[in-house]
Amino acid sequence: RKEVEQDPGPFNVPEGATVAFNCTYSNSASQSFFWYRQDCRKEPKLLMSVYSSGNEDGRFTAQLNRASQYISLLIRDSKLSDSATYLCVVNFGNEKLTFGTGTRLTIIP
Amino acid sequence: GAVVSQHPSWVICKSGTSVKIECRSLDFQATTMFWYRQFPKQSLMLMATSNEGSKATYEQGVEKDKFLINHASLTLSTLTVTSAHPEDSSFYICSARLEGHFQETQYFGPGTRLLVL
Repeated sequence: RKEVEQDPGPFNVPEGATVAFNCTYSNSASQSFFWYRQDCRKEPKLLMSVYSSGNEDGRFTAQLNRASQYISLLIRDSKLSDSATYLCVVNFGNEKLTFGTGTRLTIIP
Repeated sequence: GAVVSQHPSWVICKSGTSVKIECRSLDFQATTMFWYRQFPKQSLMLMATSNEGSKATYEQGVEKDKFLINHASLTLSTLTVTSAHPEDSSFYICSARLEGHFQETQYFGPGTRLLVL
């Protein structure tokens, strides 16, 4: 079993729709959680950290469920510029980041 | 803030040559930097952790004598791919850890595309 698992997609979503991704992780002792986005042939960029209480940043909402060992990302009112690969990233407490394979999202006009 | 640069952004070299990639934290000091490699349609895979003033820590399966890492200052780490071969062609990305925050965050450089002919 992979340490961090994501549905690779692709998710093709009409502009303005709401889309949600889930990610599961294997280690219950995991300490930090993040969502990064990666555009084609570019480096990953931090989208948001994920806190136990859940957090929101504009159209983006991230939630953490420690009991079930998954994190989620919700994008509301999706824009064309949201098209990217979304990477679920976990710090297992050893200062290293472990990346999921990413979920590819395409917003359709 | 928290800008990381990489140089070069892309390089094409002949098989057997060595290639050096630089990673710099521009507006903060980083005692720890990381080197990743990403093959097409795959996720980032950590190659090694670069520690300022000490030896790098390599992940299992990564040859330390092939991928030489030097972290001589708090703002610069270098990765040298020695005797490069076509199978080393990949997207190499570094990151620098921004410490002191509630959740320590890694900021990534723009990556270096290496093509070995």
